[in-house]
Amino acid sequence: NAGVMQNPRHLVRRRGQEARLRCSPMKGHSHVYWYRQLPEEGLKFMVYLQKENIIDESGMPKERFSAEFPKEGPSILRIQQVVRGDSAAYFCASSPDRNQPQHFGDGTRLSIL
Amino acid sequence: GNSVTQMEGPVTLSEEAFLTINCTYTATGYPSLFWYVQYPGEGLQLLLKATKADDKGSNKGFEATYRKETTSFHLEKGSVQVSDSAVYFCAAGGGADGLTFGKGTHLIIQP
Repeated sequence: NAGVMQNPRHLVRRRGQEARLRCSPMKGHSHVYWYRQLPEEGLKFMVYLQKENIIDESGMPKERFSAEFPKEGPSILRIQQVVRGDSAAYFCASSPDRNQPQHFGDGTRLSIL
Repeated sequence: GNSVTQMEGPVTLSEEAFLTINCTYTATGYPSLFWYVQYPGEGLQLLLKATKADDKGSNKGFEATYRKETTSFHLEKGSVQVSDSAVYFCAAGGGADGLTFGKGTHLIIQP
């Protein structure tokens, strides 16, 4: 079974551009979580989604950040008008239900020039 | 919400040494507890977990016991190898709230 797939692995954007990060969960997993890892820090929870629904977005910045998990296709984390402080590793995790352990992808490393 | 505190690194040990990485948590209720390991350039891999008090999680020679009285979940291994060098994250929670992670402990094992 393929694991959680994230792409791209590395993404470079200039300030003011948009960044789109994709996550395909493991087969059979309908619960997706996004986390952000800043340098020298642990992962911070951002958002929890099921198919077509945002369940908990308490960790999402109020502006410029959005996430979706459509009926078909991968989950997308979208950052508009990126700033230097958005530079981080963004990890996606999936699970078959909310009470099962989360399996993580290899992350997308976002660099803002 | 939950919070997780783990010992700062880096932790440097010689091969075959005994390992302890401390982790304590604060939480409302009784969250599940996890240890994840991250190798360079990769995502996090679940190492072990415990879902209730006094449960012991174990995998690949690593162990951790869910201690409700001390709100701890310390990671231990009796004899470490060079291949154990990685960053180890303690986490609490799960479910709708997502996981709360500690800052990670960088473990370096020297031959």
